[in-house]
Amino acid sequence: DTAVSQTPKYLVTQMGNDKSIKCEQNLGHDTMYWYKQDSKKFLKIMFSYNNKELIINETVPNRFSPKSPDKAHLNLHINSLELGDSAVYFCASSPGTYRETQYFGPGTRLLVL
Amino acid sequence: AQTVTQSQPEMSVQEAETVTLSCTYDTSESDYYLFWYKQPPSRQMILVIRQEAYKQQNATENRFSVNFQKAAKSFSLKISDSQLGDAAMYFCAYRDSNYQLIWGAGTKLIIKP
Repeated sequence: DTAVSQTPKYLVTQMGNDKSIKCEQNLGHDTMYWYKQDSKKFLKIMFSYNNKELIINETVPNRFSPKSPDKAHLNLHINSLELGDSAVYFCASSPGTYRETQYFGPGTRLLVL
Repeated sequence: AQTVTQSQPEMSVQEAETVTLSCTYDTSESDYYLFWYKQPPSRQMILVIRQEAYKQQNATENRFSVNFQKAAKSFSLKISDSQLGDAAMYFCAYRDSNYQLIWGAGTKLIIKP
């Protein structure tokens, strides 16, 4: 009964490929997030959805496109992968908005060769 | 813009001893939330403790407590009776009114047996 799950856990792919990372939460939360953690462990918000509506869209390349088919899912699709995309990507969710604690998934380690 | 600073890239402590991790932040807001997250080698981001800015009382969770000094914009984490399982990266985070979590650079905590 994992609260926030991500698939896959590891993703190794070639430059130029397109890949997706899936995230699901079974907590009944309204808000979901995608973060990127680089090699220096720095965490940076990428996107946030509240009830399927995009509320945070930080400056990331438009090769990254989030999709929220329902409020329990927030997928991340990445086109034309580049070496610099290698990182750990975390999905998180929270019950509401800024007052609420965020709960993180286990992370997806992406390695672009 | 808000910033979060963790000035200790690495700290070490003897098992069963007490250690304090420092965090300072900069903001012009009066209502916000502060968090400490732990990231063990498994990469999972785990909430350790949270503090609401409007509460004067310091938050406590078992062996973990904070020293929240709002005027000084300081939010340190004290770990008592350190255990081997406490070894991890610890991140301080600030939650603003725009839904975003602003993260510190992290402190690596080493527990010496």
